[in-house]
Amino acid sequence: DAKTTQPPSMDCAEGRAANLPCNHSTISGNEYVYWYRQIHSQGPQYIIHGLKNNETNEMASLIITEDRKSSTLILPHATLRDTAVYYCIVRVDLSNSGYALNFGKGTSLLVTP
Amino acid sequence: DAGVIQSPRHEVTEMGQEVTLRCKPISGHDYLFWYRQTMMRGLELLIYFNNNVPIDDSGMPEDRFSAKMPNASFSTLKIQPSEPRDSAVYFCASSVVPPKLFFGSGTQLSVL
Repeated sequence: DAKTTQPPSMDCAEGRAANLPCNHSTISGNEYVYWYRQIHSQGPQYIIHGLKNNETNEMASLIITEDRKSSTLILPHATLRDTAVYYCIVRVDLSNSGYALNFGKGTSLLVTP
Repeated sequence: DAGVIQSPRHEVTEMGQEVTLRCKPISGHDYLFWYRQTMMRGLELLIYFNNNVPIDDSGMPEDRFSAKMPNASFSTLKIQPSEPRDSAVYFCASSVVPPKLFFGSGTQLSVL
């Protein structure tokens, strides 16, 4: 699986958009970008995933650059409850490839009042 | 749906004792995963099941660890004998379409 690079920490003011970057310059054509987050003392929570098109759901938007070497997770209106560690993961989506998701260290997002 | 249910939430035991962690996956999910999280190593996959059959246990640290899934609605992770270095948060997750996983709240294990 391709390696990902994320900033260790970020701050965001409540109500503003939080833009979390992820670099995955070695991504291959059949690898998806997945985002999870982990709120303190809870299990990781799936947010969104994409292959090459931008994606949006009720939680966030995922913007993938045209060359697929980087992506940005956007929380449009961050709230205090969005304070968490955000993990960007690149993974081949094949049923027989195993599922040892490499969560890495992620980005610790602090949303401030 | 109540989500993935793990028990106990916290477990404190003494070195050498047997520890059993329990997990109830989301109904209809035919994949089940056991992860361990520590500050030093982050989240590590220990083992996963598909349709109650263990598929990959290469992450199980040693023979002291064993996992079973006797039916689609229940799984256990057992450590015997437990050691202080086993102290961690153990997560269970289930899925219909991996790697979109749904995690439980975890079991905080402390081995004294």
